Amino acid sequence: GDSVTQMEGPVTLSEEAFLTINCTYTATGYPSLFWYVQYPGEGLQLLLKATKADDKGSNKGFEATYRKETTSFHLEKGSVQVSDSAVYFCALGAQGGSEKLVFGKGTKLTVNP
Amino acid sequence: KAGVTQTPRYLIKTRGQQVTLSCSPISGHRSVSWYQQTPGQGLQFLFEYFSETQRNKGNFPGRFSGRQFSNSRSEMNVSTLELGDSALYLCASSLVRKKGSNYGYTFGSGTRLTVV
Repeated sequence: GDSVTQMEGPVTLSEEAFLTINCTYTATGYPSLFWYVQYPGEGLQLLLKATKADDKGSNKGFEATYRKETTSFHLEKGSVQVSDSAVYFCALGAQGGSEKLVFGKGTKLTVNP
Repeated sequence: KAGVTQTPRYLIKTRGQQVTLSCSPISGHRSVSWYQQTPGQGLQFLFEYFSETQRNKGNFPGRFSGRQFSNSRSEMNVSTLELGDSALYLCASSLVRKKGSNYGYTFGSGTRLTVV
């Protein structure tokens, strides 16, 4: 079945450092890919998405490119801020008329001033 | 624009009891899904509803059930609660424009269920 693997955390960075969180997936066909972010005590917020190969999703300085050849959707940000501290989830959207999401385990990011 | 509203935010129940959680999707969103989040298992899919019909169900026992009403509001019910049912239950809604598309979900803040 469909699955998502993302790098284990936690990740600790200093402010203004470069961020990469790796995400790879296994799926048949061409799923949609998403990154969600969860702040403490809250639900998930959609950060960015890509619906086809070579699409680049971007939002709030974060970017991820849908790479079909490597089945990857790595999240990057050039300069992180303390306010980016959260848990990040990579997810794929099931196909065939379903809106079901399959999530990775999540990566906790802590940014220190 | 109002987001996805889940009630209650927090709930404490005793083993063996049953519980009903409520979700009001974003206006115009007809697809509603439920997820269970625990530290050990992460985010696991429970159900998906579209226009009052269950389209998909996750790998959970029959004690977990749900439904969607004509106004797209949804409820999920857990009967005979077990300690392992303690979790954050997240509801999410999506705007579905055509079959096979996936626009991503907007999530509510969740209901934190504690079973004692």
